[in-house]
Amino acid sequence: QVQLVQSGAEVKKPGASVKVSCKVSGYTLTELSMHWVRQAPGKGLEWMGGFDPEDGETIYAQKFQGRVTMTEDTSTDTAYMELSSLRSEDTAVYYCATYYRYYFDYWGQGTLVTVSS
Amino acid sequence: QSALTQPRSVSGSPGQSVTISCTGTSSDVGGYNYVSWYQQHPGKAPKLMIYDVSKRPSGVPDRFSGSKSGNTASLTISGLQAEDEADYYCCSYPVFGGGTKLTVL
Repeated sequence: QVQLVQSGAEVKKPGASVKVSCKVSGYTLTELSMHWVRQAPGKGLEWMGGFDPEDGETIYAQKFQGRVTMTEDTSTDTAYMELSSLRSEDTAVYYCATYYRYYFDYWGQGTLVTVSS
Repeated sequence: QSALTQPRSVSGSPGQSVTISCTGTSSDVGGYNYVSWYQQHPGKAPKLMIYDVSKRPSGVPDRFSGSKSGNTASLTISGLQAEDEADYYCCSYPVFGGGTKLTVL
């Protein structure tokens, strides 16, 4: 059984960056394809990007291209999502989720990122 | 890619059946058998309920079923229970629907 445990809530000022972590247990990160999905307050789910096992590359939603970086530390089985140039519209809960053949089967508990001056 | 279209809300009484629709285009829902559905209770992470249009992960009650016709996918919940009250999202990777709030009356 895969378990994903994310880092705690963050408060950032506009223009800053945030880095959210997602620790994997039950499997190794190399056995999984990790993606990130966010949810603004009272809004729906929005896919940000993740590792595409078919291409062997990390892909990003066009909306976040140039502002988001997703990395992995396989020595600690931890995935990271860094979002830069934060603005108020980036206030959201950020989820890591494992991807398998076009669906997301396991989800982290979410990390609230608040962007406020 | 535009978000998939779902009704904002649906409701039903305990024991009844409800169906939530998810409409896309021939480029997403209609073009592939890869629609998935997620249940989300307030303050909780989404949970996979249906994948590949109609398959249920282990542990999901068989009261939950999925189907697709043309560019519209559907999630049907039969024998409604109080704990089914939640938000439901469809997904045709990587696009999600806007979500549907299910109220159990």
